[in-house]
Amino acid sequence: ETGVTQSPTHLIKTRGQQVTLRCSSQSGHNTVSWYQQALGQGPQFIFQYYREEENGRGNFPPRFSGLQFPNYSSELNVNALELDDSALYLCASSSVGTMDTQYFGPGTRLTVL
Amino acid sequence: AQSVTQLDSQVPVFEEAPVELRCNYSSSVSVYLFWYVQYPNQGLQLLLKYLSGSTLVESINGFEAEFNKSQTSFHLRKPSVHISDTAEYFCAVILAGAGGGNKLTFGTGTQLKVEL
Repeated sequence: ETGVTQSPTHLIKTRGQQVTLRCSSQSGHNTVSWYQQALGQGPQFIFQYYREEENGRGNFPPRFSGLQFPNYSSELNVNALELDDSALYLCASSSVGTMDTQYFGPGTRLTVL
Repeated sequence: AQSVTQLDSQVPVFEEAPVELRCNYSSSVSVYLFWYVQYPNQGLQLLLKYLSGSTLVESINGFEAEFNKSQTSFHLRKPSVHISDTAEYFCAVILAGAGGGNKLTFGTGTQLKVEL
């Protein structure tokens, strides 16, 4: 059974640029959630996708957007990067349902200069 | 709004000593409770969870946590820690019956450092 994978591992961008992060969900999972973890903080919920539709969003501006594909993999896109976007971005997959465990990938470390 | 408070940012402890990592939450509705562990340069791994039933839940590696509704707490304990338990521990909640996805709300984390 393949776990959750994310790419790239690390990324360096400059302010104003755009970035795309990718996530492959665990086999059998149809829901993907994205979290932002700033240094020294707990992860914060960005949004969740279920069957290619956004299914909940946290307190993040519209320049954070996402996609889910038919194979349940997902992308997180961030436009007009700001310095405060520097963080570890975590993807988690699960089956639909509140009680289903979310399994996290290793994350993508984004640095904005 | 729900929130999660982890009262200790760092907990140093000697190997084979007991440890308790504290977690309190605030919510006006029922919650599901989780503890996740994060090793350096890795993602989060589920340690244990409380959904319903027995208020004492256990993990396979000796950790346990007790849901206390009256005190709105979900403290994590281990009677004897090992060097390999050194990691960041996050407490998290999901609102029961809430729409808009099963989002996890995390605390700020507790760094457990086990020393020889």
